[in-house]
Amino acid sequence: RKEVEQDPGPFNVPEGATVAFNCTYSNSASQSFFWYRQDCRKEPKLLMSVYSSGNEDGRFTAQLNRASQYISLLIRDSKLSDSATYLCVVNDIGGGSNYKLTFGKGTLLTVNP
Amino acid sequence: EAGVTQFPSHSVIEKGQTVTLRCDPISGHDNLYWYRRVMGKEIKFLLHFVKESKQDESGMPNNRFLAERTGGTYSTLKVQPAELEDSGVYFCASSPGFGREGPWANVLTFGAGSRLTVL
Repeated sequence: RKEVEQDPGPFNVPEGATVAFNCTYSNSASQSFFWYRQDCRKEPKLLMSVYSSGNEDGRFTAQLNRASQYISLLIRDSKLSDSATYLCVVNDIGGGSNYKLTFGKGTLLTVNP
Repeated sequence: EAGVTQFPSHSVIEKGQTVTLRCDPISGHDNLYWYRRVMGKEIKFLLHFVKESKQDESGMPNNRFLAERTGGTYSTLKVQPAELEDSGVYFCASSPGFGREGPWANVLTFGAGSRLTVL
């Protein structure tokens, strides 16, 4: 079983659509959770951290279910600029240490005009 | 503020040759990490420096890979001799360090990566 597993994608959606990404992780002791975004041939960039209580940043909402070891990302009113690969990332070290991230393979999103 | 810079952006070498990748972290960042993505796979951790010391090198594939961070500033990752399966994108990342103030103290900033092609 992969350590971090994501929807394989790709997702193709029209502008304005709502799209949801799902992710599961295998290590129940994992401490921190993130969504990163990676544009084609660019570096991964932190999109948002994911907290147990759920968190929202504008059109983006992230949820964490520790019991199910499940993470999600919801993008509302998608824009052309949202087209990218979305990476589910887990950190197994607590205490604010981010040094050993485990990445999912990523899900490619293309938003079409 | 300059970001994490990596050089070269792309390197094409033949099997058996040597390649050295360089990473300049954000100035003042104690933590420096190397990650790698091979074709069709996820990004994987290679190793972590805290200043000039190797904190964790559990992700290094084998002894053909040597990472250094002399003086705790820039880092190099040498592959010698390179094999076909070493092809991929090598990412460097840095973060300020533990105990620093602010919610983003330990968020990793990645470089654009060095693409290695071994023929």
